[in-house]
Amino acid sequence: DAGVTQSPTHLIKTRGQHVTLRCSPISGHKSVSWYQQVLGQGPQFIFQYYEKEERGRGNFPDRFSARQFPNYSSELNVNALLLGDSALYLCASSLEWQGLYQPQHFGDGTRLSIL
Amino acid sequence: RKEVEQDPGPFNVPEGATVAFNCTYSNSASQSFFWYRQDCRKEPKLLMSVYSSGNEDGRFTAQLNRASQYISLLIRDSKLSDSATYLCVVNGDDYKLSFGAGTTVTVRA
Repeated sequence: DAGVTQSPTHLIKTRGQHVTLRCSPISGHKSVSWYQQVLGQGPQFIFQYYEKEERGRGNFPDRFSARQFPNYSSELNVNALLLGDSALYLCASSLEWQGLYQPQHFGDGTRLSIL
Repeated sequence: RKEVEQDPGPFNVPEGATVAFNCTYSNSASQSFFWYRQDCRKEPKLLMSVYSSGNEDGRFTAQLNRASQYISLLIRDSKLSDSATYLCVVNGDDYKLSFGAGTTVTVRA
């Protein structure tokens, strides 16, 4: 079975542009979460979606938005890119969004560089 | 105060050695706990869940101390392939995962 897949793997943008990152969860998983990982730090939670609804939001500005589609895939959008948005963006999926011990399984990530 | 704090290391140990490290978490309502491992420039991968009674998976042993709000990971008989960054992960009562910054372990031949 395929794991979590993300596209693109690498992306270079300039300040002020916008970007759309895509994620397909593991088959059967209904919850998708997005994380930002800056070099030297652990992943920081951005969003969690379940059944197309936002279930959680981290401490990120409104420039960050996301959505989940009926097939449970998801997109993360970032507008007005800043240099500080350069990071590895990770998507993770889990069977459900709540409940004990719902481990999340990560995709390879999208490495975003802002020039 | 960060939600999850870890000793960044690095822990530099010879093959066959035992290495152990902790992480602390701030939210006493946290419900689920995990250790993930992350290799350089790769995605985090689930190593093991951490249960209240403590649990073991081969050479890896995890302990949870709810009273003191810390989680530990012990690696016995270290292998070169254990070299990685180990991320402590806590699932709060809002079901959001909080990650520590990671503990780097390097196993040398």
